[in-house]
Amino acid sequence: NAGVMQNPRHLVRRRGQEARLRCSPMKGHSHVYWYRQLPEEGLKFMVYLQKENIIDESGMPKERFSAEFPKEGPSILRIQQVVRGDSAAYFCASSPREFQPQHFGDGTRLSIL
Amino acid sequence: EDKVVQSPLSLVVHEGDTVTLNCSYEVTNFRSLLWYKQEKKAPTFLFMLTSSGIEKKSGRLSSILDKKELFSILNITATQTGDSAIYLCAVYPGNQFYFGTGTSLTVIP
Repeated sequence: NAGVMQNPRHLVRRRGQEARLRCSPMKGHSHVYWYRQLPEEGLKFMVYLQKENIIDESGMPKERFSAEFPKEGPSILRIQQVVRGDSAAYFCASSPREFQPQHFGDGTRLSIL
Repeated sequence: EDKVVQSPLSLVVHEGDTVTLNCSYEVTNFRSLLWYKQEKKAPTFLFMLTSSGIEKKSGRLSSILDKKELFSILNITATQTGDSAIYLCAVYPGNQFYFGTGTSLTVIP
């Protein structure tokens, strides 16, 4: 019974490139959340998606960041034209329904050169 | 603005000690409070609390919620080195979870 799968585990990009982070939720989970974590800081909510719908993107910067959760396939967090300040750990979590505990993936550590 | 505050920020104890971690919150439309343990990777779920005064217990860990005073505590008795981690509190008022910055617990032999 696989948990939340994120890939890649580590991603290195140069400034100006694009970063694509993938998240496959647990089987049976249709709610996906993305968080960013900086060193010495807590998890900061970015976006909440259900299949094919963005429910809440209030934590996601309006420029350069986008997220999707298509009918088939993983959820994708996309960061265009990355800058050094985008370096962080990005965690994905899923739950079977709203108002249920989330299960987290191991995260993607994004480093910007 | 909704917020979650955890204290202390960090804690160092000896094996066998008992610790109490605190989480206070200010949110509108409170629905639940969750505790997670984060070691090097993914946070792992510990407890979800929705009602005041009802203790949740799992082994040496227990937690309780006070909705009147807007806080929760996480207790760990007879601590072990494997309890060393960051403990995260999150509050769910609907649509998104608000996380505190966590309490870093170090248990030394």
